[in-house]
Amino acid sequence: DADVTQTPRNRITKTGKRIMLECSQTKGHDRMYWYRQDPGLGLRLIYYSFDVKDINKGEISDGYSVSRQAQAKFSLSLESAIPNQTALYFCATSDLTGTSGMDTQYFGPGTRLTVL
Amino acid sequence: QKEVEQNSGPLSVPEGAIASLNCTYSDRVSQSFFWYRQYSGKSPELIMSIYSNGDKEDGRFTAQLNKASQYVSLLIRDSQPSDSATYLCAVTTGTSYDKVIFGPGTSLSVIP
Repeated sequence: DADVTQTPRNRITKTGKRIMLECSQTKGHDRMYWYRQDPGLGLRLIYYSFDVKDINKGEISDGYSVSRQAQAKFSLSLESAIPNQTALYFCATSDLTGTSGMDTQYFGPGTRLTVL
Repeated sequence: QKEVEQNSGPLSVPEGAIASLNCTYSDRVSQSFFWYRQYSGKSPELIMSIYSNGDKEDGRFTAQLNKASQYVSLLIRDSQPSDSATYLCAVTTGTSYDKVIFGPGTSLSVIP
């Protein structure tokens, strides 16, 4: 089973709809992240959380909100989707004590979101 | 100035050649540096992490870090068609390891 899972994997929605993307992990990591990826722009950080009670805005948080329901679950919401939120969304986890090094990011498979 | 910059490519090399990927960053106090590989339609996966000046080798991959010049590079020796992917450079910001900034990625194509 995958260590970091995302649901749904693909979603098509209309402008103005509320959308929730979910992320679950079995790695036992405290840190979780949401990124979006657009062609030519790389990965941009939306929100990150270092534990259940800690939520921080990333560089492009406007139009998004998050909820850390448990150590293993971190969801991303688009309250009123707009077309320029069409992108590939990745959830990631990290662990300061990981053997691959501090802050190595482990990514989920991604959610492809299309807003019409 | 963008925080992490990479040549977007595409970079094309023949099979068996050395591929050289470069990355520059703007935050002088960055401490951790990473190279991720991303195949089309897939999620990024870590190839190398490096924290100290100099070279770090892992199989066919060598990461090079020069903090004074604020650049980090990745060399891929004996390039294979399976190395064809986008390579993302990532850097931690500041000294608190609170977040990682990714570059836009360099697309590599290894020609058989």
